[in-house]
Amino acid sequence: DIVLTQSPDSLAVSLGERATITCKSSQSLLYTSNNRNYLAWYQQKPGQPPKLLIFWASTREFGVPDRFSGSGSGTDFTLTISSLQTEDVAVYYCQQYYSTVITFGQGTRLEIK
Amino acid sequence: QITLQESGPTLVKPTQTLTLTCSFSGFSLGISGVGEGVAWIRQPPGRALEWLGLIYWDDDTRYRPSLKTRLTISKGSSKNQVVLTMTNMDPDDTGTYYCAHRRLDVSLPRYFFDYWGPGRRVIVSS
Repeated sequence: DIVLTQSPDSLAVSLGERATITCKSSQSLLYTSNNRNYLAWYQQKPGQPPKLLIFWASTREFGVPDRFSGSGSGTDFTLTISSLQTEDVAVYYCQQYYSTVITFGQGTRLEIK
Repeated sequence: QITLQESGPTLVKPTQTLTLTCSFSGFSLGISGVGEGVAWIRQPPGRALEWLGLIYWDDDTRYRPSLKTRLTISKGSSKNQVVLTMTNMDPDDTGTYYCAHRRLDVSLPRYFFDYWGPGRRVIVSS
């Protein structure tokens, strides 16, 4: 199975500051035939199901604020929140869909400092 | 508008079989639903998401290899339902079980998920 390792496990950031979460894959998620990275990011707030934020590593889902951005290629990916808001407190997960045996990262808990 | 809703028991005993139903609307898993799929994903308390399996509109299925012998995902008696069956339940299977809709932006057979049900909490205890 493809292993996704997120860092850090938890993160505290001041309101208005930048938050950065990384996701490292045990193998490349870049499909060379279409030059796309098969990685998605989700946000999960307490008591709620996950919400899709980003797919193809950098494509923002409709309705997701533009302070959320995804970057990276191959095995190293980043989710950035440019200016943290109170409603961004959540656990964030990356998910690879390069393999049909999909896997998630272990999650990163984001809090307000 | 796509919606999904999980239903089933909250409490099951060890060794019993769990059956959960995902009732959905806004898409079809029938012949007209080419490319559609519904997955099951679970989350132990305080822990990460764990994909269990998925069924495509054409009845093809994919399962988590480590759980494959215990899992069956099938279409329900109603055309807008998907059923998860997990045998030989253990306390380690305690958690919230989600069903989720396969996003159509990605070519088959791959999948990620754009709509999720609210989840069904399942406790395995004698």
